[in-house]
Amino acid sequence: AQSVAQPEDQVNVAEGNPLTVKCTYSVSGNPYLFWYVQYPNRGLQFLLKYITGDNLVKGSYGFEAEFNKSQTSFHLKKPSALVSDSALYFCAVRANTGGFKTIFGAGTRLFVKA
Amino acid sequence: EADIYQTPRYLVIGTGKKITLECSQTMGHDKMYWYQQDPGMELHLIHYSYGVNSTEKGDLSSESTVSRIRTEHFPLTLESARPSHTSQYLCASSEYETGREQYFGPGTRLTVT
Repeated sequence: AQSVAQPEDQVNVAEGNPLTVKCTYSVSGNPYLFWYVQYPNRGLQFLLKYITGDNLVKGSYGFEAEFNKSQTSFHLKKPSALVSDSALYFCAVRANTGGFKTIFGAGTRLFVKA
Repeated sequence: EADIYQTPRYLVIGTGKKITLECSQTMGHDKMYWYQQDPGMELHLIHYSYGVNSTEKGDLSSESTVSRIRTEHFPLTLESARPSHTSQYLCASSEYETGREQYFGPGTRLTVT
């Protein structure tokens, strides 16, 4: 069965500091992994994805994520946080063989303080 | 501009009323989805569709129904609204190929009194 864990409900970071939002997954076969961001009163917005190839994936707004197969992780990172990065972040996984559903994590709220 | 639209954005309605939440996308996507999300919480898949005349129930048991008569349109209907239906409903779409990201609408915030 597929599952996604975001172990931190909330991450606090000062503006200008690097940020990491953690995600681990469990899936049969090779995974497709995604990060989405949700701003208040909005739908989710796609940030980046890992399908295959380079383990370091770059996405929108300066975000990147590193796929680590041995640790079954896909942590979201940014070298220098902005106050405007404050939002709710969702990790999602889907198996690349069979099935249909994309499983979303519970979300991590990021607060960036000026 | 290619996009995904949901109407209404906010709806307050009394118990027992029938409601339809509209979702339309202009991206030509085959796959469409409905999620239920309590504010700031995780998403729960309630319905999905591979294409016209294809609809399936998702993980979360829901008393709602959906239809997919046209590729671009995926409305969700509640025959008799109850306070337990109070939530945010997000519509999304994606290309058919596996591994494609989903594009989300802005959501409908439903309150049943």
